[in-house]
Amino acid sequence: DAGVTQSPTHLIKTRGQQVTLRCSPKSGHDTVSWYQQALGQGPQFIFQYYEEEERQRGNFPDRFSGHQFPNYSSELNVNALLLGDSALYLCASSLGQGANSPLHFGNGTRLTVT
Amino acid sequence: GNSVTQMEGPVTLSEEAFLTINCTYTATGYPSLFWYVQYPGEGLQLLLKATKADDKGSNKGFEATYRKETTSFHLEKGSVQVSDSAVYFCALSSDTNAGKSTFGDGTTLTVKP
Repeated sequence: DAGVTQSPTHLIKTRGQQVTLRCSPKSGHDTVSWYQQALGQGPQFIFQYYEEEERQRGNFPDRFSGHQFPNYSSELNVNALLLGDSALYLCASSLGQGANSPLHFGNGTRLTVT
Repeated sequence: GNSVTQMEGPVTLSEEAFLTINCTYTATGYPSLFWYVQYPGEGLQLLLKATKADDKGSNKGFEATYRKETTSFHLEKGSVQVSDSAVYFCALSSDTNAGKSTFGDGTTLTVKP
């Protein structure tokens, strides 16, 4: 049973560039959420996708956008990268949007912006 | 808005010691509460959960009780092992923001033999 997979594992970009991160949810899951985790802090919610639509959004600027495909996989796009965007980006999948549905996390993509 | 506050770490214990990691929360509605664990080199994984007041979540010898009156969800284990060394995150998911989980900043536990 494949868990949540993310690619790439590491990425180095230059300020002002654009980046795309990818996520495949755990088998049987239909909801994907993205989180940003700065060093020494807890994950911060970016947004959630369900039925190919953005359903919830955290306090992140429009530079952060996403997409969910019919097979439930998802992409996170960040435009006009800033140094402060350097972080671990986590994808989490769940079954449905219920508050009781625990999140299953991937190992993350480490983004470094120079 | 929702928030989660965890006791500041790091926490260092000897093997077989008793563990408590404090967690308090602020939320609207009736949140579900979770503890996630991140072992070295691995992703976050669910440790235990509780979905209503007075529920006790338990797993791998860890326990936490949902206390609505004190808005707390403290994590406990009677006898820790070296293999319990990890970062522990308290989190909540509220009925009013289904799927949008709020996490604490994590507590690093190191268990020495």
